[in-house]
Amino acid sequence: DTAVSQTPKYLVTQMGNDKSIKCEQNLGHDTMYWYKQDSKKFLKIMFSYNNKELIINETVPNRFSPKSPDKAHLNLHINSLELGDSAVYFCASSLGAFGGDTEAFFGQGTRLTVV
Amino acid sequence: AQRVTQPEKLLSVFKGAPVELKCNYSYSGSPELFWYVQYSRQRLQLLLRHISRESIKGFTADLNKGETSFHLKKPFAQEEDSAMYYCALGNNDMRFGAGTRLTVKP
Repeated sequence: DTAVSQTPKYLVTQMGNDKSIKCEQNLGHDTMYWYKQDSKKFLKIMFSYNNKELIINETVPNRFSPKSPDKAHLNLHINSLELGDSAVYFCASSLGAFGGDTEAFFGQGTRLTVV
Repeated sequence: AQRVTQPEKLLSVFKGAPVELKCNYSYSGSPELFWYVQYSRQRLQLLLRHISRESIKGFTADLNKGETSFHLKKPFAQEEDSAMYYCALGNNDMRFGAGTRLTVKP
């Protein structure tokens, strides 16, 4: 009954490959996020979707493409992986995007290692 | 601009000592502030939020609008408090500070 689940938990892949990370939430939330946690543990927002619509797209290379088939899922697809993409990626969800109950619930993270 | 600053990347205290993790924010409206914690090998989770004025695991945080701060405090640190702590501003989306790694030594 995990609230926000990501798969896979670990992903090791070679440079140049294309990979996807899946995220699902069963909380009925409207908003989902992708965050990147770098080696210095800094958490940076990458994307935010509200009801399947993209509302935040930070300065992220075009190789990163989020896909939201429904409001319970937000998958992250990465093309042509580079060494610098190695990080832990967190998916999160919240009830609303603006004010109100904006507590975010996080997945366990996906540790991506590009070799 | 919406920004959160945690000036200390590392903080080390002895067990039983008071601890304060600093957080300053920049937001033109009325902020919604949170503290999140990430214990070793665990997911990021909410510790507390200012709107509920709660105390979780002995931690409290008071919003000071004059100083634009939301410092996290605990009077007597425990070893199990060792973790990564993030301050977050959650008005339009969830923006995090850089995080502070707290180490509580025995």
